[in-house]
This record gives sequence, C-alpha cells and structure tokens, in this order.
Amino acid sequence: DTEVTQTPKHLVMGMTNKKSLKCEQHMGHRAMYWYKQKAKKPPELMFVYSYEKLSINESVPSRFSPECPNSSLLNLHLHALQPEDSALYLCASSPPGGWTEAFFGQGTRLTVV
Amino acid sequence: AQKVTQAQTEISVVEKEDVTLDCVYETRDTTYYLFWYKQPPSGELVFLIRRNSFDEQNEISGRYSWNFQKSTSSFNFTITASQVVDSAVYFCALSGTTSGTYKYIFGTGTRLKVLA
Repeated sequence: DTEVTQTPKHLVMGMTNKKSLKCEQHMGHRAMYWYKQKAKKPPELMFVYSYEKLSINESVPSRFSPECPNSSLLNLHLHALQPEDSALYLCASSPPGGWTEAFFGQGTRLTVV
Repeated sequence: AQKVTQAQTEISVVEKEDVTLDCVYETRDTTYYLFWYKQPPSGELVFLIRRNSFDEQNEISGRYSWNFQKSTSSFNFTITASQVVDSAVYFCALSGTTSGTYKYIFGTGTRLKVLA
C-alpha cells in the first residue's frame, strides 16, 4: 500500500468555524509533513513530524494546529481562519532522512468564507 | 540556505516533440537528494525520478531521462516524444536539513502544455 489518504477532499468553512484535516498512511513512514499550496505556486512547507514529534514549524500562525496521534495519522486542526488561508493542503510521508521521495496525498481544497 | 530555481514558467510543445525542463539548486549539504514531481490538475504530486548527490550517472527510464551536473548545480529533466497526457506542472525538489530534520524544498514549477 503506497498511498497517503487525505480527508476531506474539499472543505468550505466560515471564519469562526473549527475543522480538522486528516491524513493517513500505512507505509511505516516515520516522517509526515503538511504543505500549503496556493494557486500557481509551489507547495510551501508548514510542519514536519519525525517519529511522532513536531520537528519543524515554519512559523505557521497558531490558527493552524498540527497533531500526530500515532505513526500512521496526521491531523491539522483549523480555527478562526482567514480567507487568505484558502488553498490546497497537502499531506506527505517518507522515511526520515530525506534519502528517498516523499509520497503525497491528493490534498484537501480548503475555502474559507 | 537551500533553494531550487526553475526559470521556465511555462513551456508549450507539440505532441511527439522532446522537451527539457531546467532546474538549478543551491545547498551547503555535502549529501543531498534531488527529485522531480508531476502535478496534474487533480492536485496530487506524483513522484517521477530521484538522484543522490554522489551519483552523477545520468539515466533513462522509459520516456524520461535526466541530466545531473554537480559542477553547475543543475538537475534537468527530459521527456522524449511528449504526449498530451504529459501536460501538467512539473516541480524540481531538493531534500535538505533544518536542525537535523529533513524537508523537501520545491522549485516554483514549470507548466508544460503538450498540444495535439
């Protein structure tokens, strides 16, 4: 199984809502990532978890809160988002060490209204 | 600092033409890894090829080939006999470290349009 599964595929939320994005992989990868991608831009790293611990936070606003409950799951909790946070959110996983490719999910297209 | 530059914003070719996508990278790591990904309109990033910094042998895999030159910090990607299904955005990426944790750094992408 070489898949990274993200749910939901699409999400529309108001600025006062709380929602969560979910990501799951069963490849035994111990590094998991959240990327944000705006239209016609490259993926931009938000967070890296290595062995279920937060290793990199790229100065992401606190309205984005990541969580790694176990080695297969990665969540991104959203609260009080702004319209400019509308984007494609991509989850990825890889063995730690960067020596091989990261596997990406299909992403969640988030619209904040 | 680690950086990936893709100078070509958009390329249009006619089906069956060969096309080369350029990538230049910057890193201070002595060991590093380079990748090419394809992103079709559906949004998923699809892995294509990988190259490590200590192996400059260029290879061909089907219609894909790549040219890695450490001396010029370039990692170019060629599609031979392009097809309409190759139309997508192509990203070059570098894996680099921050405080011992690896992350994947992407270039700005090249949009390839293959016309029938």
